[in-house]
Amino acid sequence: AQSVTQLDSHVSVSEGTPVLLRCNYSSSYSPSLFWYVQHPNKGLQLLLKYTSAATLVKGINGFEAEFKKSETSFHLTKPSAHMSDAAEYFCVVRDNAGNMLTFGGGTRLMVKP
Amino acid sequence: SQTIHQWPATLVQPVGSPLSLECTVEGTSNPNLYWYRQAAGRGLQLLFYSVGIGQISSEVPQNLSASRPQDRQFILSSKKLLLSDSGFYLCAWSVDGAEAFFGQGTRLTVV
Repeated sequence: AQSVTQLDSHVSVSEGTPVLLRCNYSSSYSPSLFWYVQHPNKGLQLLLKYTSAATLVKGINGFEAEFKKSETSFHLTKPSAHMSDAAEYFCVVRDNAGNMLTFGGGTRLMVKP
Repeated sequence: SQTIHQWPATLVQPVGSPLSLECTVEGTSNPNLYWYRQAAGRGLQLLFYSVGIGQISSEVPQNLSASRPQDRQFILSSKKLLLSDSGFYLCAWSVDGAEAFFGQGTRLTVV
């Protein structure tokens, strides 16, 4: 079985300051990991993905994430927050043994001017 | 290029009425298809997934059902809606163990 835990349900930062959204996973197999962003009443957009290549993954809109197997973590970071980054973020694990996606509970990012 | 269409975007239905939400994918063959529900302030809950025509796996027992009459068509249905069925419904597709691509969602309000 696999699971994903997003450690913070809400994160608030000031515009121009760094963003850190935390994600821990558990998986019986070598996982693929994803971060998605969802703006209000919209579908989910893929930010970045890790599929057993480079452990530091760069995504769209300046986001990146680092896969740390020893810590079973896949935290999402951005050096400088923008107002348009305010949204809900989901960490997702795909067990490479199957077709199932498991979602974390989501983290709502708020950006203050 | 691949696209996913999901409709309607919003829907208000009375309790006890039927439901049909449709999702179609273009530009790919034999995708895995998914229906998720997102209740207010909560994460995504997988409702159904399908690896092929007529093959449906249900993850959560409830009064919803899903069908896949064609390779790239996935339908979510209910015979009688409950208040608790309100939420944001998302269709998604993926192939070959890669990332999933999501539709724009349907906001369902049961009144």
